[in-house]
Amino acid sequence: AQSVSQHNHHVILSEAASLELGCNYSYGGTVNLFWYVQYPGQHLQLLLKYFSGDPLVKGIKGFEAEFIKSKFSFNLRKPSVQWSDTAEYFCAVSGFNQAGTALIFGKGTTLSVSS
Amino acid sequence: SAVISQKPSRDICQRGTSLTIQCQVDSQVTMMFWYRQQPGQSLTLIATANQGSEATYESGFVIDKFPISRPNLTFSTLTVSNMSPEDSSIYLCSVDFLGGELFFGEGSRLTVL
Repeated sequence: AQSVSQHNHHVILSEAASLELGCNYSYGGTVNLFWYVQYPGQHLQLLLKYFSGDPLVKGIKGFEAEFIKSKFSFNLRKPSVQWSDTAEYFCAVSGFNQAGTALIFGKGTTLSVSS
Repeated sequence: SAVISQKPSRDICQRGTSLTIQCQVDSQVTMMFWYRQQPGQSLTLIATANQGSEATYESGFVIDKFPISRPNLTFSTLTVSNMSPEDSSIYLCSVDFLGGELFFGEGSRLTVL
């Protein structure tokens, strides 16, 4: 069965600090990988996704993630966080090319950015 | 992208009652999913709802407790039956609109007293 592990439960940073949130998955096949963000009081939004190709993917708001197949990882990064990045971040995985397959989510990481 | 509307957005219910949550999508989609997000927790898949077939439930979720309807390609309902305080959660409808990427509604926040 697929599973997703997010290493950090709560991360606290100052503005302009760099961010890296860890995500590892467990799945025997090829995967699609996602990072979603949930800002306070808002619904889930897609930050970025990886289906195939370049393992370094860029998303919205300056976020990027790197897929390292050998490590089963898909860590999220941002060089310089802003106060507005305060949110809950979820890593998710689904089976590759299985259209309509539901996503399996990690437990989430709460990011708090102080100004 | 898809616009997904859920009703109600929030409700407070009494123990033992049932509540039906509606999910309306502005485009036809084959796959719809219902998730639960308990306070401070991640999203847990309840079931997959495809039009024209019975919903497929995940381990730990049963049809008697969470009956689902999917009468057409733009609409689905999830009922939370015989509610208890443990059912207090945000219930989310999501759709696979682009072949692998899920879009989410704003959720229905349910509080059971």
